Amino acid sequence: GESVGLHLPTLSVQEGDNSIINCAYSNSASDYFIWYKQESGKGPQFIIDIRSNMDKRQGQRVTVLLNKTVKHLSLQIAATQPGDSAVYFCAEKPSSASKIIFGSGTRLSIRP
Amino acid sequence: DGGITQSPKYLFRKEGQNVTLSCEQNLNHDAMYWYRQDPGQGLRLIYYSQIVNDFQKGDIAEGYSVSREKKESFPLTVTSAQKNPTAFYLCASTKDRSNEKLFFGSGTQLSVL
Repeated sequence: GESVGLHLPTLSVQEGDNSIINCAYSNSASDYFIWYKQESGKGPQFIIDIRSNMDKRQGQRVTVLLNKTVKHLSLQIAATQPGDSAVYFCAEKPSSASKIIFGSGTRLSIRP
Repeated sequence: DGGITQSPKYLFRKEGQNVTLSCEQNLNHDAMYWYRQDPGQGLRLIYYSQIVNDFQKGDIAEGYSVSREKKESFPLTVTSAQKNPTAFYLCASTKDRSNEKLFFGSGTQLSVL
């Protein structure tokens, strides 16, 4: 079945460095992708989204890259800060589906 | 401020008891959703509603029930038939039926006594 997975369950980054969180998806029919940030004990917070007709989209300190050839999605966070510590989820929505499929998440920790 | 309010933050259930989790939104969103999150895992869809007085089962609806009598409210009942109810429950909404860009509440942690 379709699934959204992550290459690394835990990522440790030095404060000030850039973070790259990766995600693989298996459904080639997916045309909408989203990244969420979830802090401990809170609900997920929308970060950025991208449609399949784009390869790259930038927000404030974040960039999402989509490689449809290898079905890969990544979230880049520039100048990582302590407040970026959280679990990051990627999610996909196949065009034929009425619901979003979530991955299991990557925990990002920041070293001082 | 507009948003989604879930209550209570923490809830304890005794064996054989039904409990109801509240979810209210003032975003004027059409669609609302309930997800379950287990430790170290992603979100799994329990039920969703795209319009008042209508709802559909998600991937793990067994042992749960919902109602959508008002646009702004989508309560979830965890029944005694749900044998493993301990989890973090998240309510979400989207502006329309597209099910894109979910806005989440702050969650309810349900534990079994």
